[in-house]
Amino acid sequence: KAGVTQTPRYLIKTRGQQVTLSCSPISGHRSVSWYQQTPGQGLQFLFEYFSETQRNKGNFPGRFSGRQFSNSRSEMNVSTLELGDSALYLCASSWLAHTGELFFGEGSRLTVL
Amino acid sequence: KNEVEQSPQNLTAQEGEFITINCSYSVGISALHWLQQHPGGGIVSLFMLSSGKKKHGRLIATINIQEKHSSLHITASHPRDSAVYICAVRSSGGQFYFGTGTSLTVIP
Repeated sequence: KAGVTQTPRYLIKTRGQQVTLSCSPISGHRSVSWYQQTPGQGLQFLFEYFSETQRNKGNFPGRFSGRQFSNSRSEMNVSTLELGDSALYLCASSWLAHTGELFFGEGSRLTVL
Repeated sequence: KNEVEQSPQNLTAQEGEFITINCSYSVGISALHWLQQHPGGGIVSLFMLSSGKKKHGRLIATINIQEKHSSLHITASHPRDSAVYICAVRSSGGQFYFGTGTSLTVIP
């Protein structure tokens, strides 16, 4: 059974650009959540999707957005990139929202220059 | 104010030692997760708890809902246990909060 797949694994952008990251969950998992990890702030929750609906959202500005497709794959988008957006972006999938064990992808490492 | 507090921040142990990492939280929760992160970034979920105690091999996790406290124990520690251990809680409202992590080094 394939694990959670995140693409791209590494990317470099410049300030003001936008970026889209993709997450393919484990087959059968309907919940996908996204996280930002930085050395200064640690892990922070971005948002969670279940059956194409955003169920929960963390405390991030509106530049951070996401969506989930009918096949449970999810994308997150960051517009008008800032230097502080440089981070490891992780997604996790689970069978159920709220009570499901989390399975993490390897992450997408974004560098903003 | 941090919703999740972990201790210790850093921990060095000799191989074979019994290790305890503590996690306290301040919000009502639906679940608590213990995560392991090795250098390079990959995160593995070790336990998901909503009550009581769970055991997997040399790892034991406990939670006391009334005291809002959880512990992760590693018995007979091994150098391959060297990693960062992160406590995460999912609040009753669905938000995730994370501890700052405990960096564990086990010396042969």
